Formats: sequence, structure tokens, C-alpha cells
Amino acid sequence: QQQVKQSPQSLIVQKGGISIINCAYENTAFDYFPWYQQFPGKGPALLIAIRPDVSEKKEGRFTISFNKSAKQFSLHIMDSQPGDSATYFCAAFYSGNTPLVFGKGTRLSVIA
Amino acid sequence: ETGVTQSPTHLIKTRGQQVTLRCSSQSGHNTVSWYQQALGQGPQFIFQYYREEENGRGNFPPRFSGLQFPNYSSELNVNALELDDSALYLCASSSSSLGGETQYFGPGTRLLVL
Repeated sequence: QQQVKQSPQSLIVQKGGISIINCAYENTAFDYFPWYQQFPGKGPALLIAIRPDVSEKKEGRFTISFNKSAKQFSLHIMDSQPGDSATYFCAAFYSGNTPLVFGKGTRLSVIA
Repeated sequence: ETGVTQSPTHLIKTRGQQVTLRCSSQSGHNTVSWYQQALGQGPQFIFQYYREEENGRGNFPPRFSGLQFPNYSSELNVNALELDDSALYLCASSSSSLGGETQYFGPGTRLLVL
């Protein structure tokens, strides 16, 4: 059973455009939702994270939107740049030193 | 850079062999989690170590085992390697006193089983 479903699998965006990646979860016990960015040959790097008591969190060009009732959250990358080209993973976690549960990833390509 | 280091960076083994991967956690972190990332997939949880004891395990067979040392560094051991064990192995460190949700990943060890 896949607890976190991520879409789309791949995304091509023009430079300066908005990239949007969506995730849906099933377990209502999840209380922390991070996004990771991974470049080829590297480990995932924490990008931004949100808790369900907040509907939106913004850090620079990156924004998480969270819809608790729909059990969905999304990552928006404003003014997308070629350097943003990477694979993005959403994840979910619930308190108690439990593991992160990852989505399958979205490969983003930002073209000039 | 997260401060989490892993060694070796790459490894080639043959089926049936055994392998040991190493991880040094970020300073101040007492928990290490290991993940397997197959090509084109998200990381899958293998197990977690806290205070030198296994503190949770994913859906991996017993031939995957680990250790955590008093300095919080950790090892992942895989016995009787199979072709499907070819993957990127990631360790992540976190602090239980901070809730454990913020996990910082190392660069990974790329294992190829022939």
C-alpha cells in the first residue's frame, strides 16, 4: 500500500514559469510533510516542510500548500530556473522517531 | 552540505557476497535511519538505530542488519547479496530530542551487484 502518492512523474517547465508537484496521503496520523530535492548522484536535501496546522508555507521561491481535509499537499516553485532541474520527493512522517514515507518522485526539467 | 558522511561512495559486489556500508551522523544527532533507493524510485526505509539499538524496521529481510556505535555512527550490513540489492543506500541522521522528523541525508553509497 503506497501511503504517499506523488504526481506527475515528470514535468517540463519553461524558465520563469511555475512548477507544481502534488502529493496525496492516506494516514491521518502524519503530522509533518517535507519536500526533498535530489540531484543526480547526490542524497536528498531537505527543501521545505510544513505541519498540518498551517495551510501554506513560503520560503523564497518555494511554497507548500496544504489541504488537510483533502489530505493533499503541493510544492510550488515560482520563477523556475534551470538550476532547479532535479528530482523532487514529497514525504510524510508522524511523531515518534518513525521513518519518513516517500512519494515516488517527480523529475523536473526547467528549459530555457 | 548536511554533515552526514557515507563510505564508500561506490561499490561493486557479486551475488552471494556480503557488504558493509558506513555512515557518520551529523554532530549532535543520535538517531540514524537507513534507506534503500532503487533507480527511479523514492527511498524505502530499511531500519533505524537509536542508542545503539534497532528502533524500527521496514519490509526488508533479516540479511539486512545494522549497528550503531557509541559515537552514533552506524553500519549497514547485507549478507547473501542478490541482484535486486543494487541500489543507492542512504543514511539519514536526526535528533530524537527534536522529534526526529527533520532528517538529513548523506550522499549515499551506490551498490552494484553483478
